[in-house]
Amino acid sequence: EVQLVESGGGVVQPGGSLKLSCLASGFSFSNYGMNWIRRAPGKGLEWVASISSSSTYIYYGDTVKGRFTISRDNGKNTLYLQMTSLKSEDTALYYCAKTLSYYFDYWGQGVMVSVSS
Amino acid sequence: DIQMTQSPAFLSASLGETVSIECLASEDIYSYLAWYQQKPGKSPQLLIYAANRLQDGVPSRFSGSGSGTQYLLKISGMQPEDEGDYFCLQGSKWLTLGSGTKLEIK
Repeated sequence: EVQLVESGGGVVQPGGSLKLSCLASGFSFSNYGMNWIRRAPGKGLEWVASISSSSTYIYYGDTVKGRFTISRDNGKNTLYLQMTSLKSEDTALYYCAKTLSYYFDYWGQGVMVSVSS
Repeated sequence: DIQMTQSPAFLSASLGETVSIECLASEDIYSYLAWYQQKPGKSPQLLIYAANRLQDGVPSRFSGSGSGTQYLLKISGMQPEDEGDYFCLQGSKWLTLGSGTKLEIK
C-alpha cells in the first residue's frame, strides 16, 4: 500500500524558515517523480514544486520560486521542501504527491504551515 | 500559464441524480487532464486520468469526457459516498489545478 506521510509543519514568523518532510513507503520511491501541492485556507489547490526521480529536473511555481527548495533522499525514501523567507500567504496545508506521467496518483494527508507574527 | 476554470463551485444533487462538473482550460491541453475527489480530512483520490480513463478501483458511475479546452466529469447516479470536493488537474504545460466543486446531497 502506497503511503505518504508529511511532517515538519508548524507556526513560524514572517521571514522565517521551515523544512517539510514526506516519508514514502509501499512503492519504489527512487523510480518516481514527487511533488508538493498546497491549499491555503478558503482557497483552491496550488502546485508548489516538482522533482524528478533522480533530482535531475526540478520545477517551481512562480509564487515560491527563489524561496523554496525541493529535494529528495532516495536512500531514505524521503522528499523535502525547504521553505525560506516565509510570508503570510504561504500559510496552507501542504501535501506531497507521487507523480505518474503528468498527474499525481497518490497524495499524503497534508501538514499545516502557519506563518504569523 | 494555463488557467483552469472549474464550474460550478457548489452543487447539490439528489440520490440517483446524474451530475456534471466542468473544467475549461485557457488553451488546448490535449486531454492531459485528471479528476480527483477529496473528502473532509482525507487526501485527494484520483478518479480519472487522460481525460476519460478510469483509475483502477473507481466505480464505473464516474466518467470523464472532453477534448481541447473543455472537459467534463460525470457521476451517473449520485451515491451518499460521492459527497465531497472535486477538482481537475491539467498537465499539458506545467501544472494547474481547478478551483474545486463542493458536491453535496440534496
